[in-house]
Amino acid sequence: DQQVKQNSPSLSVQEGRISILNCDYTNSMFDYFLWYKKYPAEGPTFLISISSIKDKNEDGRFTVFLNKSAKHLSLHIVPSQPGDSAVYFCAATHTGTASKLTFGTGTRLQVTL
Amino acid sequence: NAGVTQTPKFQVLKTGQSMTLQCAQDMNHNSMYWYRQDPGMGLRLIYYSASEGTTDKGEVPNGYNVSRLNKREFSLRLESAAPSQTSVYFCASSETQTLTYEQYFGPGTRLTVT
Repeated sequence: DQQVKQNSPSLSVQEGRISILNCDYTNSMFDYFLWYKKYPAEGPTFLISISSIKDKNEDGRFTVFLNKSAKHLSLHIVPSQPGDSAVYFCAATHTGTASKLTFGTGTRLQVTL
Repeated sequence: NAGVTQTPKFQVLKTGQSMTLQCAQDMNHNSMYWYRQDPGMGLRLIYYSASEGTTDKGEVPNGYNVSRLNKREFSLRLESAAPSQTSVYFCASSETQTLTYEQYFGPGTRLTVT
């Protein structure tokens, strides 16, 4: 039972355009969501997060939107840069789970020149 | 400040052999985690330790054991390796007091079992 789903395995975007990565979840207990970025042969690195009490969080070129009623979140990258090419993982957790994260399967973003 | 370190980086085992993956963090975090990453499967939690002296099973614990040696170190042991355990293993740590749930990951150990 995949509680966090990233239905697009890959995405290709031109440099300077917007990248939109999507994530859906099924567990209504999740109340905190994170995005991680992973380069080949490296560990995932934290990118941005959002609590369920908000519907938007912004950090520079990265914005995460949360739609609780649809159990959907998205990561927007504007403008996209070649260095953003990586695999992006969505993760979710809820209070009282010892910070255990449930990860999606990842979306590989390629930013082309 | 090295963050989370893992040894070894690569390992090849024969079926039935045993080995221990080492992990250490220097951020004084309370919680530590072991994940495996397989193609198309994302990261799956094997075991975690919410605090020094405690360990609990995650989503895929079968075939593994863990030891939280002290606050810094959390090791993962494969007693009798199987080809299904071929994977990339990541250790992570987090500070649970801040309620941000952010985990910091090591660089990973790529394990092949033949």
